[in-house]
Amino acid sequence: QKEVEQDPGPLSVPEGAIVSLNCTYSNSAFQYFMWYRQYSRKGPELLMYTYSSGNKEDGRFTAQVDKSSKYISLFIRDSQPSDSATYLCAMFSGGSYIPTFGRGTSLIVHP
Amino acid sequence: NAGVTQTPKFQVLKTGQSMTLQCAQDMNHNSMYWYRQDPGMGLRLIYYSASEGTTDKGEVPNGYNVSRLNKREFSLRLESAAPSQTSVYFCASSEHVRDFEQYFGPGTRLTVT
Repeated sequence: QKEVEQDPGPLSVPEGAIVSLNCTYSNSAFQYFMWYRQYSRKGPELLMYTYSSGNKEDGRFTAQVDKSSKYISLFIRDSQPSDSATYLCAMFSGGSYIPTFGRGTSLIVHP
Repeated sequence: NAGVTQTPKFQVLKTGQSMTLQCAQDMNHNSMYWYRQDPGMGLRLIYYSASEGTTDKGEVPNGYNVSRLNKREFSLRLESAAPSQTSVYFCASSEHVRDFEQYFGPGTRLTVT
């Protein structure tokens, strides 16, 4: 079993929908959680990061961490076709410089 | 500012050939990284350099060597390429090794036949 599990999708939604993207993990030492967006044939770019449990909001994006369930989520409100991309979760433990990435979820927002 | 640049963009090698992937950043970042991305596997860290003059192994270092040439440049060398090294290679940089905001280059698509 991989340390970080992420459904590869694709997830197809209509424009304006609320999107929920999720990762589960098995390593209870993970403390730092990130979401990256990767457009086709481009490098990933950091969207948001959170430390430990709780919520963090940035515009249309909300990141949520539930350490008790080992579950993290990224919500996208009022989704746009420009949000169509692959979304990667990543996490670090406190004592490591080596991130563990999920394999990414492909999101398609159609007009 | 170009950010993080990588050369070449594409490369085809035969098994046993060697090559060096080049990476440069113009953001005055201290830390640089090399990742590979394979279908179904996500991104995996090969090597990183926390600061000029230091390099450390990541999750999958076997078959690779790196050189932090100066603060701007970090190269990845394949001494004897194998088909298992067919992948997309990304270089990234961050201000410090503890910073989660890593800036990625556009990638190098490598095929080993």
